[in-house]
Amino acid sequence: GEDVEQSLFLSVREGDSSVINCTYTDSSSTYLYWYKQEPGAGLQLLTYIFSNMDMKQDQRLTVLLNKKDKHLSLRIADTQTGDSAIYFCAENRDQTGANNLFFGTGTRLTVIP
Amino acid sequence: DAGITQSPRHKVTETGTPVTLRCHQTENHRYMYWYRQDPGHGLRLIHYSYGVKDTDKGEVSDGYSVSRSKTEDFLLTLESATSSQTSVYFCAISEKGIVTEAFFGQGTRLTVV
Repeated sequence: GEDVEQSLFLSVREGDSSVINCTYTDSSSTYLYWYKQEPGAGLQLLTYIFSNMDMKQDQRLTVLLNKKDKHLSLRIADTQTGDSAIYFCAENRDQTGANNLFFGTGTRLTVIP
Repeated sequence: DAGITQSPRHKVTETGTPVTLRCHQTENHRYMYWYRQDPGHGLRLIHYSYGVKDTDKGEVSDGYSVSRSKTEDFLLTLESATSSQTSVYFCAISEKGIVTEAFFGQGTRLTVV
């Protein structure tokens, strides 16, 4: 898990955009994911991107993928207080014959009213 | 949470005692996973199952065993709990492997004293 890196904390003001960054290690990963974890809850899949795409947009969420640099980012437009959570990026690896997710350390997003 | 129930949700146990965590699903998904979540490490895969009686090791399997005698139940056992196994444990299910959406349970907080 520690091979997928994220910064631990991010604070933004309500209404601003948030950008959460992630670097991963396995260039053969087929899918890259963003999960959201609210306090006391399990992980909720937010979005995912195929490795042959550069960008994916889904309402307020924009995912950018730079395969050359193995860099993934999640942009949240018009960030709201309800967006405060921990965000995990994850890559799938297939080292043992079955797809498995490897997660980053998570970025705690705090939205300041 | 997509029909996933983890039990217990919280447990405190003493070093050296056996502990079993249960993951129950009502989705009839083939794949089930156990992860642990620790500060600074993100999620790490312990064991996974790709069918009844079919299991395999993940990234951090030492000290853990699993069993899957029915599609709906995946048990994680700590034969002799140690303080290093204090963590939050998440179960996840997936229909076709991680390529499709994986659903996570709400987690079990285990404290070994």
